Amino acid sequence: QVQLLESGGGLVKPGGSLRLSCAASGFTFSDFYMSWIRQAPGRGLEWISYISSSGSTIYQADSVKGRFTISRDNAKNSLYLQMNSLRVEDTAVYYCARDGAFFSGMFDPWGQGTLVTVSS
Amino acid sequence: DIQMTQSPSSLSASVGDRVTITCRASQNINNYLNWYQQKPGNAPKLLIYAASSLQSGVPSRFSGSGSGTDFTLTISSLQPEDFATYYCQQSYSTLSITFGQGTRLEIK
Repeated sequence: QVQLLESGGGLVKPGGSLRLSCAASGFTFSDFYMSWIRQAPGRGLEWISYISSSGSTIYQADSVKGRFTISRDNAKNSLYLQMNSLRVEDTAVYYCARDGAFFSGMFDPWGQGTLVTVSS
Repeated sequence: DIQMTQSPSSLSASVGDRVTITCRASQNINNYLNWYQQKPGNAPKLLIYAASSLQSGVPSRFSGSGSGTDFTLTISSLQPEDFATYYCQQSYSTLSITFGQGTRLEIK
């Protein structure tokens, strides 16, 4: 079945860096756009970045632009989020989610999430 | 950014009740509206896409309607497993996807 499994979360100091990974299985990863979406503790959902199926097109929300970079390795069926210059307000559960063959903003399924805590 | 406003923010209901959750967009989004269900400790799950299309595997007691700026999610007969938080999400502005703040559905 279709599965997404995030990893790489943890505790990091403000200004630090972290790289999240999302391992995909059960579908042809290279056919689909992918996104990262985050959820601060007890808060709502915030979409932060997408990448095209080939990796040639990416987009980041203003809240992370210039600090976070999305990438993918289709040979490894993996999605990544490089997070630099982390701030306390970046503390959240980070989910990867599958979109469609074109960016539609319809996310299904989602991974189980990985928690990133930014604190001194 | 397009703002999505859900009402109510929380709701108490009983098993068997019919429940309606409303989502309003700050501008016309045609039918680019999706609904998700999130249970505590779990990832969101897609229920409804394109305002009224039921995602495969989702029980038929869930339905969605609306177009333009006003949308509704209806659960025709609440089941114990339906108590969760529900989010609407617009995909009209593909460079700025936004979610509603969520509606927490609790057992009365």
